[in-house]
Amino acid sequence: RKEVEQDPGPFNVPEGATVAFNCTYSNSASQSFFWYRQDCRKEPKLLMSVYSSGNEDGRFTAQLNRASQYISLLIRDSKLSDSATYLCVVTNAGKSTFGDGTTLTVKP
Amino acid sequence: DVKVTQSSRYLVKRTGEKVFLECVQDMDHENMFWYRQDPGLGLRLIYFSYDVKMKEKGDIPEGYSVSREKKERFSLILESASTNQTSMYLCASTPGVYSNQPQHFGDGTRLSIL
Repeated sequence: RKEVEQDPGPFNVPEGATVAFNCTYSNSASQSFFWYRQDCRKEPKLLMSVYSSGNEDGRFTAQLNRASQYISLLIRDSKLSDSATYLCVVTNAGKSTFGDGTTLTVKP
Repeated sequence: DVKVTQSSRYLVKRTGEKVFLECVQDMDHENMFWYRQDPGLGLRLIYFSYDVKMKEKGDIPEGYSVSREKKERFSLILESASTNQTSMYLCASTPGVYSNQPQHFGDGTRLSIL
């Protein structure tokens, strides 16, 4: 079993749709959690950190459930520019483990 | 803003060559990492370093070595390149030893071994 698991998708949604990604992790001692965005043939870039209290950045909402060991990302009012691969990242003692990513395509 | 710079965006080498990939960060970060990324396999950690002259093996160190002579520079070395090392290589850094802060990535090097 992988340490961090994501549904690979692909998710194909129309503009304006709401889409949610989930991620589960196996190490209960994990300390920090992030979502990254990666465009085709580019490097991963930090999208947002994830906290137990939940946090929002514009159309993006991230949530952490420590008891169930899963992380979620909600994107509202999807834009064409949201098309990318979204990576779930779990960090412990300075080392990060990356999920394989969920691919999102937003269509007109 | 953190800047992580990788020496080449694209590189083509031949089987058996010794290959050097360079990474420099300008934010005085203690931690530096080398990953490779392949379709269907995600990001896999090759080596990392928490301090100058210090290195630790990641998940797939075989066929690679690293060098960190200065805090800002972390080099990945393919001792004798093989075709199965054709991949996208990504360097990253974070501040603070054993820090749980998010990693900042360089642009990546697409390496082809012929």
